[in-house]
Amino acid sequence: TGVTQSPTHLIKTRGQQVTLSCSPISGHRSVSWYQQTPGQGLQFLFEYFSETQRNKGNFPGRFSGRQFSNSRSEMNVSTLELGDSALYLCASSLEPTGNQPQHFGDGTRLSIL
Amino acid sequence: DAKTTQPTSMDCAEGRAANLPCNHSTISGNEYVYWYRQIHSQGPQYIIHGLKNNETNEMASLIITEDRKSSTLILPHATLRDTAVYYCIVRVIYNNNDMRFGAGTRLTVKP
Repeated sequence: TGVTQSPTHLIKTRGQQVTLSCSPISGHRSVSWYQQTPGQGLQFLFEYFSETQRNKGNFPGRFSGRQFSNSRSEMNVSTLELGDSALYLCASSLEPTGNQPQHFGDGTRLSIL
Repeated sequence: DAKTTQPTSMDCAEGRAANLPCNHSTISGNEYVYWYRQIHSQGPQYIIHGLKNNETNEMASLIITEDRKSSTLILPHATLRDTAVYYCIVRVIYNNNDMRFGAGTRLTVKP
């Protein structure tokens, strides 16, 4: 099975917070998160390996994440803004090296009203 | 990571080979070339990657020029289901797992 993300769709209002979940491919230990919007395209949020954040993109502190010992990952967005409406994608790879392809889930589509 | 340049859009006839170019003139020796595609409302799908040699798998072939400044993704027999946005990305070999996606090439396969 591939990368599984939940929920697939979510509607929130401004000021709320949200948690998105990602289950990587079995055996994959690296998980990365991306945000995709029509205006900015695909942008890297952060990457986790062995429960540690190794790399972070240029997003405000309202965006956070964590990884569990079974490699599953969650990301959280607090104090939601209209501009946070996007497709949030999770990708997993065996290890965090450039020779290991990342495999993506189909994302969580978040809409902020 | 090196910047890539791709045409905005391309058309291809069904059954013919689709050749998608990518320019990465500032690529360094420790960077791989990766190709992904994204079909509407789905997550990006990994296609193929390479360092300096040409590569082939069940989906496509990747041709990298000798100076590594450009590459071509070849879909040998395009089908309507190959209509998607194709992204060319370069990634460093070590210790860096983020990928910088550009705008990609929108390939339309026509019957």
